[in-house]
Amino acid sequence: DTGVSQDPRHKITKRGQNVTFRCDPISEHNRLYWYRQTLGQGPEFLTYFQNEAQLEKSRLLSDRFSAERPKGSFSTLEIQRTEQGDSAMYLCASSSLKGRKLGMNTEAFFGQGTRLTVV
Amino acid sequence: AQKITQTQPGMFVQEKEAVTLDCTYDTSDPSYGLFWYKQPSSGEMIFLIYQGSYDQQNATEGRYSLNFQKARKSANLVISASQLGDSAMYFCAMREGSSGTYKYIFGTGTRLKVLA
Repeated sequence: DTGVSQDPRHKITKRGQNVTFRCDPISEHNRLYWYRQTLGQGPEFLTYFQNEAQLEKSRLLSDRFSAERPKGSFSTLEIQRTEQGDSAMYLCASSSLKGRKLGMNTEAFFGQGTRLTVV
Repeated sequence: AQKITQTQPGMFVQEKEAVTLDCTYDTSDPSYGLFWYKQPSSGEMIFLIYQGSYDQQNATEGRYSLNFQKARKSANLVISASQLGDSAMYFCAMREGSSGTYKYIFGTGTRLKVLA
């Protein structure tokens, strides 16, 4: 088990371009989360999946953002028509209820993030 | 609505001393979990310790312990015998258990600097 993997680690793009990030969660983790983190702030929730179903999206997630998890394994986050305000670290995390009592909370395991710079 | 508050933007501690990082939370859900994460300059969020709302005892993990005061809605992280490698951002987070949402909400973090 190699942990949560994100690709790319860094992305520089011109304003108006589309970008796509990939996240590979810990194998067999059924929940996958996307967060955005700007300098000096805590991670802000964007969206999460349980298996392939996208169960919740933040109101912060504009129509330019779309996330998928087509087979319940890896996930992609696409940002269309990027703006300078999209510059941030995009973090992916995964978690699982396996081995825990029903209803107990479990920790999320994070990847190293993708740092996006829009110029 | 769930909320996490960390009022200490930055803290200093002398190597080998103990330090307490404050965290208060707000939720109306009786079932919730509280988490602390460490984020070094490399950027990865590292899970440190977890406390469940129904847990009777304060959580401990090695040099980390969580001072859980349910009535005051506080979940302070105590790091004993600080090491230079403890210098990092620390985030408190919460996840509600029965509200139907499974997202983790984070505070704004505390930057800890351990002095030699």
